[in-house]
Amino acid sequence: DVHLVESGGGLVQSGGSLRLSCTPSGFSFTTYWMHWVRQAPGEGLVWVSHISGGGDDRNYADSVKGRFTISRDNAKNTLYLQMDSLRAEDTAVYFCVADRVYFAMDVWGQGTTVTVSS
Amino acid sequence: QSALTQPASVSGSPGQSITISCTGSSSDIGTYRYVSWYQQHPDKPPKLILYDGGNRPSGISNRFTGFKSGNTASLTISGLQAEDEAHYYCSSYTTSSTWVFGGGTRVTVL
Repeated sequence: DVHLVESGGGLVQSGGSLRLSCTPSGFSFTTYWMHWVRQAPGEGLVWVSHISGGGDDRNYADSVKGRFTISRDNAKNTLYLQMDSLRAEDTAVYFCVADRVYFAMDVWGQGTTVTVSS
Repeated sequence: QSALTQPASVSGSPGQSITISCTGSSSDIGTYRYVSWYQQHPDKPPKLILYDGGNRPSGISNRFTGFKSGNTASLTISGLQAEDEAHYYCSSYTTSSTWVFGGGTRVTVL
């Protein structure tokens, strides 16, 4: 069975930083694209960022560009999202997602909650 | 990066068919076949139910079908069942090398 487990969420003040981590189990994610997707309380899904299998291609939503950095350590089988200059509107559940079929997100973690207080 | 447009809610009786539309633009749905659909039950992570417009992952019921024409994609659920009551989101790859989701559609089984 395949799983993704996120960690690193929490409460942070506006302007602060957090680093989310995601570790897969049941599959080797080194060749797969990975995404971060977030969902604010009571709201819909919002795509945040994507990284290619080798880490050389990274893409970001306009709302986080310049503040968030996606990275991966394939040797440690871990995906990261460094979040800086956090704002109240970044408050959400952040899902780590694997893209094993290319251009679609087929394995989702349970999510980790980020709360930014103003 | 404007969100794709979905109806806020759709409802149907058990056994009926319902269709959820997803309207984008020439920057996303109109250019790529990479439209996917996700089902999300309350307090659960989303689940992929269709990708590449109409392909189903292993284990997904064939009651879920997809279609795309121009800038609009659609998801049809046939033989509606109580377990289908959930939120549904469409998503598309874009010409900016990003992804965009729709606002979500709440499906109610009457």
